[in-house]
Amino acid sequence: DTGVSQDPRHKITKRGQNVTFRCDPISEHNRLYWYRQTLGQGPEFLTYFQNEAQLEKSRLLSDRFSAERPKGSFSTLEIQRTEQGDSAMYLCASSLSSGRAGANVLTFGAGSRLTVL
Amino acid sequence: DQQVKQNSPSLSVQEGRISILNCDYTNSMFDYFLWYKKYPAEGPTFLISISSIKDKNEDGRFTVFLNKSAKHLSLHIVPSQPGDSAVYFCAGTEYGNKLVFGAGTILRVKS
Repeated sequence: DTGVSQDPRHKITKRGQNVTFRCDPISEHNRLYWYRQTLGQGPEFLTYFQNEAQLEKSRLLSDRFSAERPKGSFSTLEIQRTEQGDSAMYLCASSLSSGRAGANVLTFGAGSRLTVL
Repeated sequence: DQQVKQNSPSLSVQEGRISILNCDYTNSMFDYFLWYKKYPAEGPTFLISISSIKDKNEDGRFTVFLNKSAKHLSLHIVPSQPGDSAVYFCAGTEYGNKLVFGAGTILRVKS
């Protein structure tokens, strides 16, 4: 198992352009999470999927952001009409969760760093 | 609303001594707490967790203490090693759902 893979690792774009990030989770994991991290802050939750269903979205996730997990495997996070405030590290994580109480240990990828000029 | 707070942005410790990283939370519904470690250019990696029904969990050099009445937890690293130098994040979770992270503490272990 190669862990959680994210692509691209770094994306530089101009304001107003659309960008898409891809995440390949650990294959047996049923949950997939997207977080955003800016300098000096901890990861902030954006959204998560259980299999192909998107179960929760943060209020941080404006309508310019959309995430999909079409077949319950890989996921994409698209940001439309990027703004300079979108510059951040976008982290993907996966876990095997039954939905019951438990530690729900997330395994993170290395992240995709977005720079909006 | 900041549900998890790590009030010390950084900590510097001599190799071989104890490192104590602190974390406070406000959400009384959290039933598990986790600590993650992050090196530059890598994603956070899981370190240790504790259930809200326990007050201590130990794994090798790492021990997490939970004071539920004070809504406070701490991570002790003994003895500290230079390879422990990283950013440490505390996180809480409610009923196996998303993790809510603090802002992190940068630990520097000097040799």
